[in-house]
Amino acid sequence: DAKTTQPTSMDCAEGRAANLPCNHSTISGNEYVYWYRQIHSQGPQYIIHGLKNNETNEMASLIITEDRKSSTLILPHATLRDTAVYYCIVRVAGTASKLTFGTGTRLQVTL
Amino acid sequence: EAGVAQSPRYKIIEKRQSVAFWCNPISGHATLYWYQQILGQGPKLLIQFQNNGVVDDSQLPKDRFSAERLKGVDSTLKIQPAKLEDSAVYLCASSSRTAGNGELFFGEGSRLTVL
Repeated sequence: DAKTTQPTSMDCAEGRAANLPCNHSTISGNEYVYWYRQIHSQGPQYIIHGLKNNETNEMASLIITEDRKSSTLILPHATLRDTAVYYCIVRVAGTASKLTFGTGTRLQVTL
Repeated sequence: EAGVAQSPRYKIIEKRQSVAFWCNPISGHATLYWYQQILGQGPKLLIQFQNNGVVDDSQLPKDRFSAERLKGVDSTLKIQPAKLEDSAVYLCASSSRTAGNGELFFGEGSRLTVL
């Protein structure tokens, strides 16, 4: 699986959009971009994933560049409950493949 | 639907003792994963099962760690003898090959402290 690069930490004011970047310059054509987050003392939670088109669900939006070498996770209106570590992971297509976690981005949402 | 269940939530043992963790995945999920998460790091895959067969155990320290998944449902992860560096949270996750987008569903984890 390709590796990803994320900033170690970010801050965001409550109510503002949180934009979390991820670089995955060695991504292969059959690899998806997945985002998970881990709130303190909980297991990781799936957020969203995509291949090459932008995706949106009730939690977030995922913007993938045309060359697929980077992506941005957008939380449109961050709340204090969004404070967590966010992991960007590239994963081979297929439902039984493993997730390989990096160190992620620690997002702190403040008042 | 019920989530992934793990027990115990917390365990404190002395080094060289043994410990076992239990995981009950989401009903119908054929794939089960055990991850180890050391403080400040992302989770690291220890072993992956497909039904009751092992798919990947390349990062499992087999001299002290063992895992089984009898009947393709529940799973146990055992450490014997434990070392100080085994202090971590052990996360169990499951996924379905036939439903959803293949995302992993994680339990809350079992926190191990080795003294």
